[in-house]
Amino acid sequence: DTGVSQDPRHKITKRGQNVTFRCDPISEHNRLYWYRQTLGQGPEFLTYFQNEAQLEKSRLLSDRFSAERPKGSFSTLEIQRTEQGDSAMYLCASSPVLAGTETQYFGPGTRLLVL
Amino acid sequence: QQQVKQSPQSLIVQKGGISIINCAYENTAFDYFPWYQQFPGKGPALLIAIRPDVSEKKEGRFTISFNKSAKQFSLHIMDSQPGDSATYFCAAIGSNFGNEKLTFGTGTRLTIIP
Repeated sequence: DTGVSQDPRHKITKRGQNVTFRCDPISEHNRLYWYRQTLGQGPEFLTYFQNEAQLEKSRLLSDRFSAERPKGSFSTLEIQRTEQGDSAMYLCASSPVLAGTETQYFGPGTRLLVL
Repeated sequence: QQQVKQSPQSLIVQKGGISIINCAYENTAFDYFPWYQQFPGKGPALLIAIRPDVSEKKEGRFTISFNKSAKQFSLHIMDSQPGDSATYFCAAIGSNFGNEKLTFGTGTRLTIIP
């Protein structure tokens, strides 16, 4: 399987707990993106990496959110002290960094439910 | 501020008919416009994409029409089939710093009826 993979696919947690999601991009894709999608809406950008460098963060990414890509391969997204408003689908996407290759390929997502 | 506006919110088309979804953008720095198809519980999958230097792109039953001066683009699905029933998102992205992420429309839920 050469697509983007995400783990876990589903996560149920209680308010106030910390959660961590993992994304494995397509091999050799330099860029890795995180998006959040709530029910009935389009995905919204959270942050992206080029190799291990985090190049941009959305204002949606509060201090409770942190993302890492330590070796330029897989990435983790951690949410601390979860709130009910964090319930959403968290999507990861990757793309190569070459001229004319803006296409982003999405993983299946991690659906988070905060009780 | 919504930078990509999509309509309609939902669409019902008979099998064999033409499905048309419209989008409009504001940011002139956008230079790549993909359409994604999403089934329930799945991530978005790239369907077709266009750059503003062409007015139309066709791949099988799917066609994008692009009007640069009006800052509008649309997806046409010919001979619509029940398997096309899904949510469709238009998106836009730019190649300069600050615009290197997808901005999505709000989505169109398409239902193809027999």
